[in-house]
This record gives sequence, C-alpha cells and structure tokens, in this order.
Amino acid sequence: DPKIIQKPKYLVAVTGSEKILICEQYLGHNAMYWYRQSAKKPLEFMFSYSYQKLMDNQTASSRFQPQSSKKNHLDLQITALKPDDSATYFCASSQETVISNERLFFGHGTKLSVL
Amino acid sequence: AQKVTQTQTSISVVEKTTVTMDCVYETRDSSYFLFWYKQTASGEIVFLIRQDSYKKENATVGHYSLNFQKPKSSIGLIITATQIEDSAVYFCAMRGPSNTNKVVFGTGTRLQVLP
Repeated sequence: DPKIIQKPKYLVAVTGSEKILICEQYLGHNAMYWYRQSAKKPLEFMFSYSYQKLMDNQTASSRFQPQSSKKNHLDLQITALKPDDSATYFCASSQETVISNERLFFGHGTKLSVL
Repeated sequence: AQKVTQTQTSISVVEKTTVTMDCVYETRDSSYFLFWYKQTASGEIVFLIRQDSYKKENATVGHYSLNFQKPKSSIGLIITATQIEDSAVYFCAMRGPSNTNKVVFGTGTRLQVLP
C-alpha cells in the first residue's frame, strides 16, 4: 500500500484556472515537502514544512500556496495556472531528528498539464 | 547556497559490469549529508544510500557504494554487478544542517544497462 498518497495522479487544467494538489502521508513523519519535476528543471525544491510550519520556500511566485490542515497533510494550491506550470509535482516526507540526516520518501506524483 | 552538479547526462553499460556516476557539490556548511536516489521508468523515486560528511568511511548498501572525496567535494555512486533493472535515472542530493530541511537535487544521470 502506498504510504504517501497524492491525488489526482493526472490533472489537466485550463490557463488561468486554479487547482489543488492533495498529499497525505501515513508514515508518521513530521516533515513534508513539495518538489516539481519538468524537463527544464528536474526535481526542483519548492517548499518544506516541519510540524505544520513552513521551513523553506524556494518558490518565487505567490501563485503557489501550500496548505497544511493536518500534520500528515500538505496540499498545494496553484492559482492563475500557466502552461509553464506543466510538470510533475512530487510530495515527500521525512522524519526529522536532531541529526537531520533522514531520507526522503516520495509519493508517486501528480502530473499537471496546463493547456 | 548549496548546489549539486551531475555532469553525466547518460551512461550505458553492459550488465554485470561496474558503473560509477559522478556528483560534485558546493556548500559552506561544515556538516552536511549526501544522498543518492533512483527514479525508475514508472516515475517512482526511491532512496538508495547516504553519506554523512563527518564520516570518513564510504557508505555501502548492497551493490551500491559511495566514493566520498571530501577535499574534492565529490560523492560518486558505484554500482557493482549491474542488472537490467538498475536502468533508471540516478539523482545526487545534499542537505545542510538542522536549521533547514531543504534537500537539493542534481539534474540526474540516466543509466541504461544493456544485456
């Protein structure tokens, strides 16, 4: 059974619309992340959360807004979609410790196509 | 800022041979963590192996091992006795100290193992 669930698996959107990508993890981890993968920039870091608080934000555009309603949820809201937003969005999680050397576990991704 | 560079875009080897994939990194941190991940044809991303910067011994897991050369800021991945199913894209990644949980990835090296 997948331990990190991303919904939907595929998503087609119209330019200018808004979509929400869902991520739930059942690993009991306290940190969650969003990464974006496209042909232009493979596995680009977007956001990281620890105990539901934003730790790092490398996304310049405010059109991308992470939302954490529960400890094991980190959704990604994207507004005013553009064709350049087309990519596969990966959610990941880890168990943060003082040493901070823990590996990431990835979901299977949501492939977003913006027409 | 941390940076990870993989200059090999694609490698082809014959199965049962040994392959080495290169990775160099940049960081100002005195303590950091280096990872290798594998992305299969299905898109799944899985963790392979980790090297902690303060450890002199090269990490080894199964038929994966690392060649850690700290003075050169280099962390090569060595796969021995390659198998067809090792064909995938391999990503090098780095994480800094505990005040940030951002993990930065390289651009990846595509490995093709031929019969």
